Formats: sequence, C-alpha cells, structure tokens
Amino acid sequence: KNQVEQSPQSLIILEGKNCTLQCNYTVSPFSNLRWYKQDTGRGPVSLTIMTFSENTKSNGRYTATLDADTKQSSLHITASQLSDSASYICVGSNDYKLSFGAGTTVTVRA
Amino acid sequence: DAGVTQSPTHLIKTRGQQVTLRCSPKSGHDTVSWYQQALGQGPQFIFQYYEEEERQRGNFPDRFSGHQFPNYSSELNVNALLLGDSALYLCASSNRWGLQETQYFGPGTRLLVL
Repeated sequence: KNQVEQSPQSLIILEGKNCTLQCNYTVSPFSNLRWYKQDTGRGPVSLTIMTFSENTKSNGRYTATLDADTKQSSLHITASQLSDSASYICVGSNDYKLSFGAGTTVTVRA
Repeated sequence: DAGVTQSPTHLIKTRGQQVTLRCSPKSGHDTVSWYQQALGQGPQFIFQYYEEEERQRGNFPDRFSGHQFPNYSSELNVNALLLGDSALYLCASSNRWGLQETQYFGPGTRLLVL
C-alpha cells in the first residue's frame, strides 16, 4: 500500500528563521515526489517536483531534497515570511496515483 | 488566463441527498482529476477524466461518479450523501492523461452534510 508520512504535524517559527519539514514515502513503482503549499481554504499550489534521479530542487526560498534510497524527502524554508504560513503537503507519485501526506502546518509569527 | 475554477464554493446538504459539483480546467488543459480532502488530512484521489472517459479511480464507492464534457469541464456527482462525505472537494487539471504533469488545483468546494 502506498503511504506518505510527514513530520512534524505542525510547527511555529519566528519570521526570518529557517525550518525543515520531513517526508517518508512508500510508493511503488516510484515516479516522482512533489511538495505542495496549501493556504487555508485554498487549493494546493505546486512548489517542486523531483524524479528519482534528482536529489535537490529549489523554488525561491523553498528547497526540496530527495533520497530515493531511503525514501525520504525534506522541504527547507529559508528566511521565513508571514506569507509562508500554510500547510505543506508531500506527495508521492507513480504513473497512475498520487499519494498525499497529511501535511505539516507551518505558522510564522512576527 | 483563468486558472481552475470550481462551483459552488460552499454547499450544505442533508443525508441521503445528491450533490453535483462543477469544475472548469485551466486553459489548455484536457485532463481533470477530483480529490476529497477531509479536515486536517491530505487530499484523497477520487478519479481522473480524459477524453470524456474515467481513466483512473481511487478507493471510492460507486456513489461517487463523474462526467467530462467536450469542452473539458467536469462534474462530480455524489449520491446518497453520508455525514462522512463532508469535506473539501478539489478539482485539479493537467495537460495530458496520467499523473506525470504538474496538476493545478482549483479553490475547492466545501460540502457540509447534515
């Protein structure tokens, strides 16, 4: 059964600080690993997509890493801003199915 | 260039009723996927439509059905509503069948079943 587990469930950080979110996935066969940002009451927005051959990808202040051997991914947020407050969802994909994690809720405080 | 749009934004129904949700994909996209997102959970894949046919389906009962029109817009129908069907229903579009392309999500329809 394909599964995606994220940690922590939630975290609070001060504006300007960095944070790292973790994702462990079991997706077979594996095609790609995605990170989405979901603001409250809105649909998810894609941040990064990585195939098994990629081990890092950046999108502005967001940097995702992928270790296909250990089936782990992380999302690093640099110099956080208030607008980074959202749920961050890790998604494992094969050719036919997306498996979503439950998300990590990030709250950035001034 | 309009993104993915969904209607209505909110809906309240009672148990046993039927509901229809609508989605218009992003311009240039021909594939629509539907997801159910319960509060505090990640989205769960319901099904995907391409060329007016259901191409893939998640673990949802037959009470959940859909349709895609020639203009690529789509409907999600849920019959015999249960309290557990209360959720945010998300529509996502992409530019070809399968799940290799980036999916663009709409704002969702929040359904409350009483």
